[in-house]
Amino acid sequence: QKEVEQNSGPLSVPEGAIASLNCTYSDRVSQSFFWYRQYSGKSPELIMSIYSNGDKEDGRFTAQLNKASQYVSLLIRDSQPSDSATYLCAAGGLYNFNKFYFGSGTKLNVKP
Amino acid sequence: ETGVTQTPRHLVMGMTNKKSLKCEQHLGHNAMYWYKQSAKKPLELMFVYNFKEQTENNSVPSRFSPECPNSSHLFLHLHTLQPEDSALYLCASSQDTGYEQYFGPGTRLTVT
Repeated sequence: QKEVEQNSGPLSVPEGAIASLNCTYSDRVSQSFFWYRQYSGKSPELIMSIYSNGDKEDGRFTAQLNKASQYVSLLIRDSQPSDSATYLCAAGGLYNFNKFYFGSGTKLNVKP
Repeated sequence: ETGVTQTPRHLVMGMTNKKSLKCEQHLGHNAMYWYKQSAKKPLELMFVYNFKEQTENNSVPSRFSPECPNSSHLFLHLHTLQPEDSALYLCASSQDTGYEQYFGPGTRLTVT
């Protein structure tokens, strides 16, 4: 199993809907998780960090961490066409703090 | 300047050329990273520096040579590259290893 895994998508949702992006992780990662957004041809931009079990909300974004099931998700409420991008899940290494693992990303398309 | 800057933004070089990529962070961070992102591929961590010391080399070919003179500056020296080295090269920084990383805009490298 890879350290961090994501479904590559694409995930298509209509404008105004909730987009749900998921990520699973292995026992080799730390308990710090990060969501990045990457537009085509651009660099990744940090959206949210989550460290504790449960939900963390920031505007239209909610990150959810479930340590028992080893998954982390990102919900985007009231999705806009400008949210169309690739979303990357990332986590630090548990046994090697110099490691930082990115998932392969999920492409989100928000249709007007 | 704020955040993480990278120069040049675009670079075209022949296989026999020598060039350098520069990264500078204005965030007061102690860790800096080089990543490679090829078309439609996940981010690949290349090198990690923490407090100017190289702490991770992810089996990168010796034609890529990093240099970190201080915690704010990171270079990637390139020589005798191959066409398959064409990619987006991203620099990132973080407070310390394992923390959220902030990316520069990247250098789009084309090797002819």
